[in-house]
Amino acid sequence: AQKITQTQPGMFVQEKEAVTLDCTYDTSDPSYGLFWYKQPSSGEMIFLIYQGSYDQQNATEGRYSLNFQKARKSANLVISASQLGDSAMYFCAMRPGYSTLTFGKGTMLLVSP
Amino acid sequence: EPEVTQTPSHQVTQMGQEVILRCVPISNHLYFYWYRQILGQKVEFLVSFYNNEISEKSEIFDDQFSVERPDGSNFTLKIRSTKLEDSAMYFCASRAGTRGETQYFGPGTRLLVL
Repeated sequence: AQKITQTQPGMFVQEKEAVTLDCTYDTSDPSYGLFWYKQPSSGEMIFLIYQGSYDQQNATEGRYSLNFQKARKSANLVISASQLGDSAMYFCAMRPGYSTLTFGKGTMLLVSP
Repeated sequence: EPEVTQTPSHQVTQMGQEVILRCVPISNHLYFYWYRQILGQKVEFLVSFYNNEISEKSEIFDDQFSVERPDGSNFTLKIRSTKLEDSAMYFCASRAGTRGETQYFGPGTRLLVL
């Protein structure tokens, strides 16, 4: 069975600092994808970043990077230079094989001035 | 930039009524999905749709639910007889397929069953 664990219910960070949101996963499928989505208070789900299980390098998208440690089955999201607009719920998700997405419970990030 | 759209943004209905949630996926995408998120909880998979048929469904997707692609653009989720516990945010998502890995989500429909 597939499982995504996000152990941090909430995180606080000051503006302009970096923050790491933790995500661990479990799957027996050798091919899988890992995703992070952002959900602001308005409710929509915004795709941030994707990492394939066979990708050799960690994914980066602007201020977002994914710290992929395959042996530890972790896929932490790093947000550099936090902004007030980064305050939101962040979900880690996994897609084993070509199946559907399994989501974690999310981490609420609050960025303070 | 192409995006997934959903209508309505909010829907209030009485228990036992039928509701239809509508989605317009990104135009060249081949795979379509419905997810739901009960308030304060994680996003849960309902159903995936490809080539005009259901490819996968979860335990949540029982006989009260159905999906349809009535034309070349719309993708609908019907709940035949709504229950209080169907109150949730419903997200439609689409994926390009072939080399497209990412599922892009619509803005969601907030369904409230009274």
